[in-house]
Amino acid sequence: SYVLTQPPSVSVAPGQTARITCGGNNIGSKSVHWYQQKPGQAPVLVVYDDSDRPSGIPERFSGSNSGNTATLTISRVEAGDEADYYCQVWDSSSDHPGVFGGGTKLTVL
Amino acid sequence: EVQLVESGGGLVKPGGSLRLSCAASGFTFSSYSMNWVRQAPGKGLEWVSSISSSSSYIYYADSVKGRFTISRDNAKNSLYLQMNSLRAEDTAVYYCARDRYCSSTSCFVKGPPFDYWGQGTLVTVSS
Repeated sequence: SYVLTQPPSVSVAPGQTARITCGGNNIGSKSVHWYQQKPGQAPVLVVYDDSDRPSGIPERFSGSNSGNTATLTISRVEAGDEADYYCQVWDSSSDHPGVFGGGTKLTVL
Repeated sequence: EVQLVESGGGLVKPGGSLRLSCAASGFTFSSYSMNWVRQAPGKGLEWVSSISSSSSYIYYADSVKGRFTISRDNAKNSLYLQMNSLRAEDTAVYYCARDRYCSSTSCFVKGPPFDYWGQGTLVTVSS
């Protein structure tokens, strides 16, 4: 089955740029979606189809996807961005196509 | 306003059964594929199951296949998850989530994101 690999944690100072990676075999051929989850809350979609933003999500959130790595970039990080972030793809070649990465805890120093 | 409200969680003994429901409102439920995603305490998100708008396509994670059954009632705007032969490792918060609307074949192949989520219902499997 398809595997997505994320770093367990990323730390960044306020105002700096955070980059969270999501690795997978030829992930560049898939659509990658990113979710933010704060403690005790349901996940929220922040980037979809590699680089699109749902309405209401700040432009500070952006995404890219190429080769074997997709990246969620958060510019001008704020304290309120501290959360867990998950990447997700749909592996249509599989009988169990839904796949999430293990998640990355973003800490704002 | 799109709303997804899960119910049916609770404490159940190993080997027992539980049926989760997800009541949808604020959108044309019959036009959207739906999903169940779970999260064990302190762990990450795990996709559980998906069902297409007309129930023609159904998928399960290996970890639940043969034990869980996803279904929907478009007349009642409701999504269900019948969980049988429950194990301790099924203990989790279960979320229902809506697929973003798909209008093209490529969208269905690549898989739309889960654009709305419920608040979740906790299932605890313990003796």
